[in-house]
Amino acid sequence: AQSVTQLGSHVSVSEGALVLLRCNYSSSVPPYLFWYVQYPNQGLQLLLKYTTGATLVKGINGFEAEFKKSETSFHLTKPSAHMSDAAEYFCAVRGSGGYNKLIFGAGTRLAVHP
Amino acid sequence: GAGVSQSPRYKVAKRGQDVALRCDPISGHVSLFWYQQALGQGPEFLTYFQNEAQLDKSGLPSDRFFAERPEGSVSTLKIQRTQQEDSAVYLCASSLEGLYGDEQFFGPGTRLTVL
Repeated sequence: AQSVTQLGSHVSVSEGALVLLRCNYSSSVPPYLFWYVQYPNQGLQLLLKYTTGATLVKGINGFEAEFKKSETSFHLTKPSAHMSDAAEYFCAVRGSGGYNKLIFGAGTRLAVHP
Repeated sequence: GAGVSQSPRYKVAKRGQDVALRCDPISGHVSLFWYQQALGQGPEFLTYFQNEAQLDKSGLPSDRFFAERPEGSVSTLKIQRTQQEDSAVYLCASSLEGLYGDEQFFGPGTRLTVL
């Protein structure tokens, strides 16, 4: 079975500081991993994904994540936080079966203060 | 429109009432997913369609939940005899093929409140 654990339901950083959102996964099949962002009253938007190949994945808005198989982790980072990054972030792993069902973590709310 | 749309955006129902939630996926997208997002939680898978075929309904929490996509485009999620525990945001997503790694495009969701 597949599952996702996001450490820290709330993270607060200063504008310009490093953003680090943690995600650990469990998967019985080779994992495909995703990070989504959700702004208030909006749907989820894909930030980046890992399927195969390069383990360091770059996404939109300056975010990147590194797949570490030995640590079963897929942490999301951004070198310098911007006020507009304040949102809810979800890590997800593909479910089993022949299609792209997603299993989500509980989410991390990122606050950015001046 | 260019994205996934859902209606209504907000729905308040009295306990025991039936509700229907609509999803308009991106035109041409083969795959359609429904997720339930309880307050403070991540989305949880409900059901999956490939065109008009419902290939997975393992996440539907009870037989009061029913989904359809009769012409392979618009989908409706119906909840009969609503209960308070059904209060959540219901998200619809579509993807071009639904294959591993395909991006899912999410709608804004329908927030259901059952009184």
